[in-house]
Amino acid sequence: DTAVSQTPKYLVTQMGNDKSIKCEQNLGHDTMYWYKQDSKKFLKIMFSYNNKELIINETVPNRFSPKSPDKAHLNLHINSLELGDSAVYFCASSQSSGPTDTQYFGPGTRLTVL
Amino acid sequence: GENVEQHPSTLSVQEGDSAVIKCTYSDSASNYFPWYKQELGKGPQLIIDIRSNVGEKKDQRIAVTLNKTAKHFSLHITETQPEDSAVYFCAAPSGNTPLVFGKGTRLSVIA
Repeated sequence: DTAVSQTPKYLVTQMGNDKSIKCEQNLGHDTMYWYKQDSKKFLKIMFSYNNKELIINETVPNRFSPKSPDKAHLNLHINSLELGDSAVYFCASSQSSGPTDTQYFGPGTRLTVL
Repeated sequence: GENVEQHPSTLSVQEGDSAVIKCTYSDSASNYFPWYKQELGKGPQLIIDIRSNVGEKKDQRIAVTLNKTAKHFSLHITETQPEDSAVYFCAAPSGNTPLVFGKGTRLSVIA
C-alpha cells in the first residue's frame, strides 16, 4: 500500500555512466516532483510534472532528463554522471500543482558516484 | 525568489521538555506553510501544516504558529519523546516554485 515508491533505494556507479531512477505513485495525484538532497540535507526541487507535462525545471543540467510515461510515473535519467551528482534523490507527488497542495515524498534513492 | 531561513540548525532537549523551531520567509504572497519530519534513511513526512487564514494549528503534541506580518512561523513540540528525534524542515511556496525548504533542524531528544 506504498503511496510513493522509488527504485532503486541505493545506486552506486562510476563517473561517466548513465543511470535511471524510477518513481511511481498510487495516490491518483496529477503532479509529481524530483528533489535533490545534498550531504548537508539541503532539499531542492529539480523538476515538476503535471499530467505528464513539465511545469518546473529549476536550472538543472541537461544531463538530467525526466520522463513521465503517465501521470502515475516520473522517472529520472542521468547521463554522464559526475561526482557532484552524489546525493539522495526524492520523488514526491501532490493532488495538483497548486501552491497549497500537500506533497508526499517517496523513501529516496541514494546515488553514489565513484 | 523565496528565501526560507530556519533555526536552530541543531537542537537538543531532555525528554519531556518542549522544542521550538522557527522559520522566516521573504515572499509576502506565500500562503501555505508545511512542516516535514525526516527520520534517518527515510523521506520527509508531513507532520503539520498551516494556511494563511489562521494563526495557529494544533495536533496533539505538535502545534504551528504563523505571524504573517512578521513573515515567520514556528513549530512547537511539547512533551518530547525519543521518537521525536529527527530532522525537521519548514517550507513555503514562492512564485512558480511550490515549496522552498529551510535547511533543516536536527532535533535530538535525550532520554
